[in-house]
Amino acid sequence: NAGVTQTPKFQVLKTGQSMTLQCAQDMNHEYMSWYRQDPGMGLRLIHYSVGAGITDQGEVPNGYNVSRSTTEDFPLRLLSAAPSQTSVYFCASRQQGAKDEAFFGQGTRLTVV
Amino acid sequence: GEDVEQSLFLSVREGDSSVINCTYTDSSSTYLYWYKQEPGAGLQLLTYIFSNMDMKQDQRLTVLLNKKDKHLSLRIADTQTGDSAIYFCAETAPPSNTGKLIFGQGTTLQVKP
Repeated sequence: NAGVTQTPKFQVLKTGQSMTLQCAQDMNHEYMSWYRQDPGMGLRLIHYSVGAGITDQGEVPNGYNVSRSTTEDFPLRLLSAAPSQTSVYFCASRQQGAKDEAFFGQGTRLTVV
Repeated sequence: GEDVEQSLFLSVREGDSSVINCTYTDSSSTYLYWYKQEPGAGLQLLTYIFSNMDMKQDQRLTVLLNKKDKHLSLRIADTQTGDSAIYFCAETAPPSNTGKLIFGQGTTLQVKP
């Protein structure tokens, strides 16, 4: 049971490049979400999904797109990378119950130069 | 909107108790959580408390909830160097069936030998 798998672990992009951060979970969780972690700001929600085919914006969605074609996968796309998107990105998944634990991936450290 | 606030840093000596505090704004949260992040890793659930409880104890961890003041605390007894990490409190963001979590900024706990 792999849990939540994120790839890549590290990435350097040039300003204006696009890329996709991959996230996959094998726990059949309905809820998946993407957060970015910046020093002193905690985790901020970018986008989330309550099931296949359903996505919604979080607190800081600008510059990012998501899709949820399957229960397992929830990729995050950076359309045109900017230095302000330098951050550590975490994908998380949860089961439906309110008390259920959120499982996090190991994170993707992204640097935009 | 929903907001969760934490102090950013706490330093204690090994063997002392640590108390990490958190305030939140959404009184409708049914569960409140403490997550731990070790260096270079994702977040892992440490403990949680249901909103109709005042206290929850789990081995060295004690969670206190003051719902009137919207204040949550995590006490770690006999703090060890292995407890050095970033601790995040989190609440469920409405609507509760979206699986969204709102995180505080994280408190870095430094344990000195």
